[in-house]
Amino acid sequence: DSGVTQTPKHLITATGQRVTLRCSPRSGDLSVYWYQQSLDQGLQFLIHYYNGEERAKGNILERFSAQQFPDLHSELNLSSLELGDSALYFCASSVWTGTNTGELFFGEGSRLTVL
Amino acid sequence: AQKITQTQPGMFVQEKEAVTLDCTYDTSDPSYGLFWYKQPSSGEMIFLIYQGSYDQQNATEGRYSLNFQKARKSANLVISASQLGDSAMYFCAMSGSSGDKLTFGTGTRLAVRP
Repeated sequence: DSGVTQTPKHLITATGQRVTLRCSPRSGDLSVYWYQQSLDQGLQFLIHYYNGEERAKGNILERFSAQQFPDLHSELNLSSLELGDSALYFCASSVWTGTNTGELFFGEGSRLTVL
Repeated sequence: AQKITQTQPGMFVQEKEAVTLDCTYDTSDPSYGLFWYKQPSSGEMIFLIYQGSYDQQNATEGRYSLNFQKARKSANLVISASQLGDSAMYFCAMSGSSGDKLTFGTGTRLAVRP
């Protein structure tokens, strides 16, 4: 158990819908990262939050947004869903030092299926 | 920008033998970190080993060792005495000097034969 909790574990929805994925980091970790893992694209970095502030952004679509709340949990919002958004979405947390991510501890992922 | 290349999409190894998974990287950062993760069929990402760019010695963790050759920009993972439970996808990743993210390679699927 990594200590990172992601909900829901599985989600099936239709095109055009909106979903919210939730992540609770390990106790004490201020950094939260979101990754998307599709079959044909490996693990793609979406976004990194540190203590409520956005630190880095990857190739995150405009239809996607995220935030980190004062209690440090994070949510990834995916809207106007398309078939191609079907993927495994990982949240990870770490003790980010400002110069190194440190080991990222991953949640079990949220598997999104868009029909 | 960082780039990780894993050129072996899939590999087989006989149980109890050693296997090397290749990873090369490219970065202009003077300081960086290199990581290996294992992803079994169940899907979770499991951290295996870490090597800092200024570390003089190669990292080892149990049966895992990282063969770090800085001049060649390679960070190969060596698994000794393979076990059936080692069958999984293996990802190499790196963090740059800002540490804002991990960049992952495309992975190598390892199958251990009994």
